[in-house]
Amino acid sequence: KAGVTQTPRYLIKTRGQQVTLSCSPISGHRSVSWYQQTPGQGLQFLFEYFSETQRNKGNFPGRFSGRQFSNSRSEMNVSTLELGDSALYLCASSPWLGGQDYGYTFGSGTRLTVV
Amino acid sequence: TQLLEQSPQFLSIQEGENLTVYCNSSSVFSSLQWYRQEPGEGPVLLVTVVTGGEVKKLKRLTFQFGDARKDSSLHITAAQTGDTGLYLCAGESGSARQLTFGSGTQLTVLP
Repeated sequence: KAGVTQTPRYLIKTRGQQVTLSCSPISGHRSVSWYQQTPGQGLQFLFEYFSETQRNKGNFPGRFSGRQFSNSRSEMNVSTLELGDSALYLCASSPWLGGQDYGYTFGSGTRLTVV
Repeated sequence: TQLLEQSPQFLSIQEGENLTVYCNSSSVFSSLQWYRQEPGEGPVLLVTVVTGGEVKKLKRLTFQFGDARKDSSLHITAAQTGDTGLYLCAGESGSARQLTFGSGTQLTVLP
């Protein structure tokens, strides 16, 4: 069974540009969450989507946005990139809303470097 | 804002030794999850505990959820070099589908 696929794995962007990251969850999983991981702040929640609807959002500026498609694939977009946006962006999928004893399956992440 | 304090931050031990990692909060969590992360990869789920006082064992790893569901511990018996990695605890509350992560414990097991 295929895992969570994130593309691209590595990305270098210039300050001020925008970027789109993609996540394909495990087949049948309808909940997709995004996290940012940095050495200073650790893992922080960005947002969560279920059935194409954003259900929950973390404490990040509006430059961070996302969406989910009908096939559960998700994208996140960061506009007007800042140096501090350099991080490992992780996507996690889960089979349903609720069922907290299931846990999440994470992808390998997209390493974004802003120069 | 919910916080999870994880300790120790770094741990370096010899193969065969035992160790315990702690995860504490002033907030109540409906579930507590433990993950292990390798460099350049995403976290991999080890276990989920949902009931206060619950103890789960996964081979040499023992996980415990506090009675009040505010704290958890991970105990590794007879550590092996393959146990090396970043161990993360993460809590989830109510119906909100978001994890609050601890800062992590970087474990190094020396041969």
